Amino acid sequence: SAVISQKPSRDICQRGTSLTIQCQVDSQVTMMFWYRQQPGQSLTLIATANQGSEATYESGFVIDKFPISRPNLTFSTLTVSNMSPEDSSIYLCSVGQGTEKLFFGSGTQLSVL
Amino acid sequence: AQTVTQSQPEMSVQEAETVTLSCTYDTSESDYYLFWYKQPPSRQMILVIRQEAYKQQNATENRFSVNFQKAAKSFSLKISDSQLGDAAMYFCAYRRVNSGYALNFGKGTSLLVTP
Repeated sequence: SAVISQKPSRDICQRGTSLTIQCQVDSQVTMMFWYRQQPGQSLTLIATANQGSEATYESGFVIDKFPISRPNLTFSTLTVSNMSPEDSSIYLCSVGQGTEKLFFGSGTQLSVL
Repeated sequence: AQTVTQSQPEMSVQEAETVTLSCTYDTSESDYYLFWYKQPPSRQMILVIRQEAYKQQNATENRFSVNFQKAAKSFSLKISDSQLGDAAMYFCAYRRVNSGYALNFGKGTSLLVTP
C-alpha cells in the first residue's frame, strides 16, 4: 500500500490568511484526491488533482478558494485561501492505487480563528 | 447523485462480542463498489473491506464481514470478536465503476468497545 505523508498535521490560522497543505506519496500514483471532513461530518470530495493540468473540482468547490497543484506523480498541494471559521475542518489527501483501493493520509486539522 | 446513509450515529459493543453496522445506499447503477473505512482518533482512514456489486458472495476479511443485499441496497458490516482496537468511526462508501477512485461517504457510525 502507498505511504502518504501530509503536512502540516494541524494548524491554527487567522481569518483572511491562506494555508498550503502538502501531500507526498512514496510511489508514483495516477490518481490523487483532496477531501474535506467538517467537524462531526463525513468526507466530501473537493477535487481530483491532475498531473500536468488543472484540477477537477466537485460541485461547491472552486479553484480560487482551493487552488491545487500537482507537479508530478508523487506530490500535490492544496491551498485554503482567504480562510474563515467555516473552513475549520480536517483536510485529507488520498491516492488511488491497484485494484480500486483508495489510501488516505492522516489529514490536516485546520482551525480558523 | 448517489447517497449513502448510515442510520446509526453511535453503537456500542462489549469486547469479544459481535456488532453489526448498517449502511444503505441509493443508486441507479447496476455495477459499483462498496467499501467500509475505519477512522480511529489518529484520523487515518483505513480500508476495512470492499465489495464488488457484481459479486454475490459477501466479502470477508478476518473478523470483518459484510451482508450485501443488492436488491435492498443494503451493505452492513459485521465485526466478530470485537477488540478494544476496533473502537473508531466507521464510514460506508460507494463508488461507481469507471468514475476514478472518488468515493461518496456516509456520515459515519461511532463504535465504542467496552471491556
